[in-house]
Amino acid sequence: ETGVTQTPRHLVMGMTNKKSLKCEQHLGHNAMYWYKQSAKKPLELMFVYSLEERVENNSVPSRFSPECPNSSHLFLHLHTLQPEDSALYLCASSHQSGTGVNTLHFGNGTRLTVT
Amino acid sequence: AQTVTQSQPEMSVQEAETVTLSCTYDTSENNYYLFWYKQPPSRQMILVIRQEAYKQQNATENRFSVNFQKAAKSFSLKISDSQLGDTAMYFCAVEGTSGSRLTFGEGTQLTVNP
Repeated sequence: ETGVTQTPRHLVMGMTNKKSLKCEQHLGHNAMYWYKQSAKKPLELMFVYSLEERVENNSVPSRFSPECPNSSHLFLHLHTLQPEDSALYLCASSHQSGTGVNTLHFGNGTRLTVT
Repeated sequence: AQTVTQSQPEMSVQEAETVTLSCTYDTSENNYYLFWYKQPPSRQMILVIRQEAYKQQNATENRFSVNFQKAAKSFSLKISDSQLGDTAMYFCAVEGTSGSRLTFGEGTQLTVNP
């Protein structure tokens, strides 16, 4: 059983809809991440939150809006998406200690289809 | 900047045999870590093995081992005694210790045949 839970597992939305992806981690980690996984492409890091502060935003279009209300929860709010935004969206968490690197723990992802 | 290249989009192996997945990388950091993640059909990315670049000894985790060639910037994964449950997409990744984020390759789809 994963320590990182993502809902919903699948989502189909029209280009004019507004929806949100949810991620919850039960591992006591202090950093959370959103990744986009498209077919035949490397995982793309979208956002990083450390101690609930956004520390990285990799030139993601404004139609994606993240929210991290506390260290255990992360949301990705979606609005006016495009068909090319269809992908698997993965949430991950880690414990950042300031030394070395830390292993990411991933959720099962949300498969998003934009029609 | 960091890059990771996995030149084998797909591979297959017979159950109980050994298979090696290739990975080359590039990074400007002096110290870094290398990872292999596995993504089965359940979609959850799971860490298989990791290697610290300053350690010369190759990492091993049960049936999984790596061949780390630092000068060649090569980090291959060997799976011994392959099992049906090893069928998954395997991703190689690198992360520097000075702030460079985890960078993934495009993945290799491994199929273990009975």
